[in-house]
Amino acid sequence: GESVGLHLPTLSVQEGDNSIINCAYSNSASDYFIWYKQESGKGPQFIIDIRSNMDKRQGQRVTVLLNKTVKHLSLQIAATQPGDSAVYFCAETGGNTGKLIFGQGTTLQVKP
Amino acid sequence: ETGVTQSPTHLIKTRGQQVTLRCSSQSGHNTVSWYQQALGQGPQFIFQYYREEENGRGNFPPRFSGLQFPNYSSELNVNALELDDSALYLCASSPTLWANYGYTFGSGTRLTVV
Repeated sequence: GESVGLHLPTLSVQEGDNSIINCAYSNSASDYFIWYKQESGKGPQFIIDIRSNMDKRQGQRVTVLLNKTVKHLSLQIAATQPGDSAVYFCAETGGNTGKLIFGQGTTLQVKP
Repeated sequence: ETGVTQSPTHLIKTRGQQVTLRCSSQSGHNTVSWYQQALGQGPQFIFQYYREEENGRGNFPPRFSGLQFPNYSSELNVNALELDDSALYLCASSPTLWANYGYTFGSGTRLTVV
C-alpha cells in the first residue's frame, strides 16, 4: 500500500554540524511533500514543503531536495542546534486530497 | 489569530468505554482532519470533515466517528475502546479541503486505554 518511509530511525550529530534526514516515498502520484518537526508532547510543526515541479527549496537553515526519479526526499539542516533535537517526519499528499501520508520518523539528537 | 486547540490533553479510559475528543480549528479554517499517532510511529489519517460532512476516511473501523459543527470545531468519538486505541490523537485544520496548503496541527490528546 501507500507508504512514506525514512531510512534511519535515529541520527546523532554534533552541534554546529549539518544534518541530513532522508525519506523514500512510494506513491508516484504524490505531488506535494512536507517536512514536519515534532517535539515531545507537541503536534507536528511545519518546517518546509516542496511541490513536485521543483527539485530544491530553501528556507532558513533548512533545504529540502526532491528526486522524483528515485522517489527520494531529504531534509538538510545547516549548523544544527540543540533546539533542533526532535523527531522529523516526511509526509506526502497528492491529487488535491485532504490526506497526508506520513513516514515513521527520524529522531535527531544534537550533541553539545 | 489562535491556533488549533485540542481537549483534553490527556485521558485514561477503560477498555470497552467510549471517548469524545474535541478540536477547535484555527481561525479562518473550515476543514478539520483527525490523525492517530501510535507511540514511535507517524500519524495515520482517520478522517476529514468539511462543512460538517465527512470528506475522506482512512483505514479505521466504524467505531471511530466524528462530527463537525457550524463554527468548524470538531469531535472525534471512539466507541468500544480497545487497548490498541492508546495513542496520541491529532487534529489538523486547514483553510481548504486539500492538504497542500495551510495544514496546521494541534498538540494532540494522549489517550491511554487500560
